[in-house]
Amino acid sequence: DGGITQSPKYLFRKEGQNVTLSCEQNLNHDAMYWYRQDPGQGLRLIYYSQIVNDFQKGDIAEGYSVSREKKESFPLTVTSAQKNPTAFYLCASSRQGGSVYTEAFFGQGTRLTVV
Amino acid sequence: GQSLEQPSEVTAVEGAIVQINCTYQTSGFYGLSWYQQHDGGAPTFLSYNALDGLEETGRFSSFLSRSDSYGYLLLQELQMKDSASYFCAVRDANSGYSTLTFGKGTMLLVSP
Repeated sequence: DGGITQSPKYLFRKEGQNVTLSCEQNLNHDAMYWYRQDPGQGLRLIYYSQIVNDFQKGDIAEGYSVSREKKESFPLTVTSAQKNPTAFYLCASSRQGGSVYTEAFFGQGTRLTVV
Repeated sequence: GQSLEQPSEVTAVEGAIVQINCTYQTSGFYGLSWYQQHDGGAPTFLSYNALDGLEETGRFSSFLSRSDSYGYLLLQELQMKDSASYFCAVRDANSGYSTLTFGKGTMLLVSP
């Protein structure tokens, strides 16, 4: 079945440590995204990538980094520079439709807790 | 930039009809979409409106008025499983419409 897989589902990190969240898709989508969700809040864009080896900062990129070495994969690293990393992280993908709207497909999320 | 406003919470009973409103401010407009998210789960796409009017998909309908920068999601014959958060979203002109900007979501509580 096609879809987006995020791992792990739950992740605990000590303060000062970097941690990498995995996101893999087999939908053959060009575009991939990372969103952060806090309780009672909407989804805020961290980074996005429209093509392999290229990515752009979203609204809240500080303290995060990404890579896009393969079309299927878009890992997110939460660095020690991120002051408040405890949140629910969602990865998404979509076709690049140009003038045609394309819906976004989301993974099941990773809940990161700093201990 | 983009901003979207929607109520934080709506309550209703099974079998009822509920409307979730969304007003938006955008520098460019490329349609309004709606997503559903159950607690702790993945958001899933519900509907998309590019033109004014009503789009119907089963028990769910979505409406758009571009002149009023306003849309709503209408849920009919409510079921307990409809208890979830609902987000309206627009394409962000600043990214060449490549990304979605979401509202803060409306939590729908359906009671027996």
